[in-house]
Amino acid sequence: QVQLEESGGGVVQPGRSLRLSCAASGFTFSGYAMHWVRQGPGKGLEWLAVISYNGSHQYYTDSVKGRFIISRDNSRNTLYLHMHSLRPEDTGVYYCARRTAAAVNGGLLYWGQGTLVTVSS
Amino acid sequence: DIVMTQSPDSLAVSLGERATINCKSSQNLLYSSNNKNYLAWYQQKPGQPPRLLIYWASTRESGVPDRFSGSGSGTDFTLTISSLQAEDVAVYYCQQSYSSMYTFGQGTKLEIK
Repeated sequence: QVQLEESGGGVVQPGRSLRLSCAASGFTFSGYAMHWVRQGPGKGLEWLAVISYNGSHQYYTDSVKGRFIISRDNSRNTLYLHMHSLRPEDTGVYYCARRTAAAVNGGLLYWGQGTLVTVSS
Repeated sequence: DIVMTQSPDSLAVSLGERATINCKSSQNLLYSSNNKNYLAWYQQKPGQPPRLLIYWASTRESGVPDRFSGSGSGTDFTLTISSLQAEDVAVYYCQQSYSSMYTFGQGTKLEIK
C-alpha cells in the first residue's frame, strides 16, 4: 500500500534553515508528481509546492517562493523540502502528498502523518 | 493565484439533517478539453491528515459514504452531506487543481447542533 512518511521537523531559530524529507513506498515514486502542504497551529491547509515526476518542474506558493526549494531523489524514493530564512509564521505541520492514481488533477489522496516545524528563538 | 473562498466559516447541523458547504473560485475551474472541473473536497479531523472525499467536483473517492456528494461547475461548487452523522464532525476544505499551483479554501468547521 502507498505510504508516505515525513521526517526532519523540529525547533529552529528564525533565519535558519531546515530540510524535510518524505520517504515514499508502495508505488512507483518516479511516476508521480509530489506535493508539500502545511498547516499552521489552529489554521487551515496551505499548499506550498509541487515537483513533477522527474524533477524538471517545480511550482511554489508566493509565501515560500525564493526561500523554499522542493526536490526529489527518485533513486531513493524520497521527496525533500529545503527551507531557508525561516520565519515564525512558517511554524506548522508539514505534509507530503500524492494525487489519486485514478484521475489526473483529481485531488491529493495519499498523505503522510506530517512533521512539526517550530520556528522560534 | 486562484483564490478559493468557502462559506460559511462554521456550520452547526442537527444529526440526520442536511449540511451544505459552498466554495467559490476566483477563476473558472472547468477544463474544456475533458469537461472536468478540477475541484476537490477534503475532510480533516483533529490530529489527522486530510482525507480526500470528492474530486472532479462530483466524483466520490472509493470508500466515501454516499451521503457525501459534490456539485457545481465553473466557479461555484457545493459539498452536501445528506444526513449528518456524528462522525462527520470535522473541518472541510475545497481545493483547486486547475492551476499547477494548487490552493485551498479557508475551511468550514462542521459541528452538531
